[in-house]
Amino acid sequence: EPEVTQTPSHQVTQMGQEVILRCVPISNHLYFYWYRQILGQKVEFLVSFYNNEISEKSEIFDDQFSVERPDGSNFTLKIRSTKLEDSAMYFCASTRHIAGGEETQYFGPGTRLLVL
Amino acid sequence: AQKITQTQPGMFVQEKEAVTLDCTYDTSDPSYGLFWYKQPSSGEMIFLIYQGSYDQQNATEGRYSLNFQKARKSANLVISASQLGDSAMYFCAMREVQGAQKLVFGQGTRLTINP
Repeated sequence: EPEVTQTPSHQVTQMGQEVILRCVPISNHLYFYWYRQILGQKVEFLVSFYNNEISEKSEIFDDQFSVERPDGSNFTLKIRSTKLEDSAMYFCASTRHIAGGEETQYFGPGTRLLVL
Repeated sequence: AQKITQTQPGMFVQEKEAVTLDCTYDTSDPSYGLFWYKQPSSGEMIFLIYQGSYDQQNATEGRYSLNFQKARKSANLVISASQLGDSAMYFCAMREVQGAQKLVFGQGTRLTINP
């Protein structure tokens, strides 16, 4: 069964460093998302991406964040200068289409980011 | 704005018993979807069940069923015949049928199944 994959599974970085989190969505999916979950808290929406552009972003997704689909398979989240509060689990999700609202978003296993 | 409320931070249930996890929601959109995800200790988010706002019947998926009461804006998850492997965090989420259709999650309920 197709699945969303994410690399790395864990990342430790120093404050101020840049990190790139990678995702490979399910191959016939067209809509891509990043969410984050700070330890012990709920999952929060960061950004959605369709047709090579951002379709919606949250207040969390400030100028330090960017997303890119560099080729036909990868979808990346870059944090330009990490802060301590960026420590969280980051989930990538994808869905085939959004017409009617019934399409399920399938999540990757997550990347656990720790900023020291 | 969308809002999801899960009022049970933790639930403890004996193995083989049924359990209901509560979820209420708030939205001004007449068309929306409701989802439940399971998050085991390993951290991944596993899709369990979906209910559309216009669906006439409650959704079922194996041992999972969704008790959808539209007038009360509730979408409770029912797990029948609970198993030890059901111990996990459970998140209710909603998606409005407009825009990029992001998911909005509740705070989650930690379910523990006792042998």
